[in-house]
Amino acid sequence: DGGITQSPKYLFRKEGQNVTLSCEQNLNHDAMYWYRQDPGQGLRLIYYSQIVNDFQKGDIAEGYSVSREKKESFPLTVTSAQKNPTAFYLCAISQPGLNTEAFFGQGTRLTVV
Amino acid sequence: EDQVTQSPEALRLQEGESSSLNCSYTVSGLRGLFWYRQDPGKGPEFLFTLYSAGEEKEKERLKATLTKKESFLHITAPKPEDSATYLCVIYGQNFVFGPGTRLSVLP
Repeated sequence: DGGITQSPKYLFRKEGQNVTLSCEQNLNHDAMYWYRQDPGQGLRLIYYSQIVNDFQKGDIAEGYSVSREKKESFPLTVTSAQKNPTAFYLCAISQPGLNTEAFFGQGTRLTVV
Repeated sequence: EDQVTQSPEALRLQEGESSSLNCSYTVSGLRGLFWYRQDPGKGPEFLFTLYSAGEEKEKERLKATLTKKESFLHITAPKPEDSATYLCVIYGQNFVFGPGTRLSVLP
């Protein structure tokens, strides 16, 4: 929404499988973020990136990996090391120093089957 | 450590019954406080940014205010379509999200 596209909307993962969630933006914002949302809890930061080819771990990075090879793309891989991956995943973008608010995609719901 | 709490956790209002949602925060160097609306199964939708104590922003039936320790989201004469979870977010070193207030407006 607002130039941010997350896909797929729903994703099912088998035990021991890696899956990748896509986040693409066309607003030319520098910063991109991945959050995890669980029922009754605030959003928790997984990884963020402020420039291409650089990213930082957030509060709950274990079991996840990211890349930022292009400014418009910030894919998140949920690895088999993530023991409780079932959650709603949200990608966000912001432009630090200008308008500081973050804009979100519509989310991906990941379920382990 | 930057922290955000929101109250109440859930709120049920009759249509037309005005009320306020609270967001209390602690932060070292506030660069912005944001309110978002989130509908079930969707990403948060941006509502307001507040930067300094005393600032107010309005949009339709919603009005956000900011002090040095808290922010309020006032809802005047709400309608059923205002039902959603409202998230308060502070921006210091990074974005820190509150758990949200789940608002239900009954017709």
